[in-house]
Amino acid sequence: GESVGLHLPTLSVQEGDNSIINCAYSNSASDYFIWYKQESGKGPQFIIDIRSNMDKRQGQRVTVLLNKTVKHLSLQIAATQPGDSAVYFCAEKVSGNTGKLIFGQGTTLQVKP
Amino acid sequence: ETGVTQSPTHLIKTRGQQVTLRCSSQSGHNTVSWYQQALGQGPQFIFQYYREEENGRGNFPPRFSGLQFPNYSSELNVNALELDDSALYLCASSLDQNYGYTFGSGTRLTVV
Repeated sequence: GESVGLHLPTLSVQEGDNSIINCAYSNSASDYFIWYKQESGKGPQFIIDIRSNMDKRQGQRVTVLLNKTVKHLSLQIAATQPGDSAVYFCAEKVSGNTGKLIFGQGTTLQVKP
Repeated sequence: ETGVTQSPTHLIKTRGQQVTLRCSSQSGHNTVSWYQQALGQGPQFIFQYYREEENGRGNFPPRFSGLQFPNYSSELNVNALELDDSALYLCASSLDQNYGYTFGSGTRLTVV
């Protein structure tokens, strides 16, 4: 069935270190993936996306890697800051026109000062 | 450019009642989706509207219904509320179905 899962529920890192959040997906037909950040009391905030015809995409301090062979997605955050503390979700877009995003359970990133 | 706005921010309803949640899409966005997010979980897709027509639905019963208006704002209606409907309801809009979605801050619904 369709599912998106994250490997670790909580990730704790030291301020200034790099963070890597992982995600596994099961639908090989999905062609679009998005990482969202959600802070307490707020809606998910778009971080970065990647389409299935790419294996890497970089933004400001963030990089998303896509490995279609093993159906794995990762989010790398460089020089993690206290403001990065939040829950991170990967989302998979079902192919077709429904626009349905399938979200994982989320990984909580805790940044220690 | 305004973002996605939802109202109300918080709501308490009694089991069996009906509720209407509202969403104003980001300017220029013609696609809107609704999600339900239970505490500690990822958002679950309810349905999507594209140019006033529903064009995708998740695994939710018919008592969850919606509308999209000509100005692309949207409503989510839930009839016969159940305790398990207590959740954060998120609206997301997109320039097009194949692009990223911008989420609002949600409406926290509590059913007692």
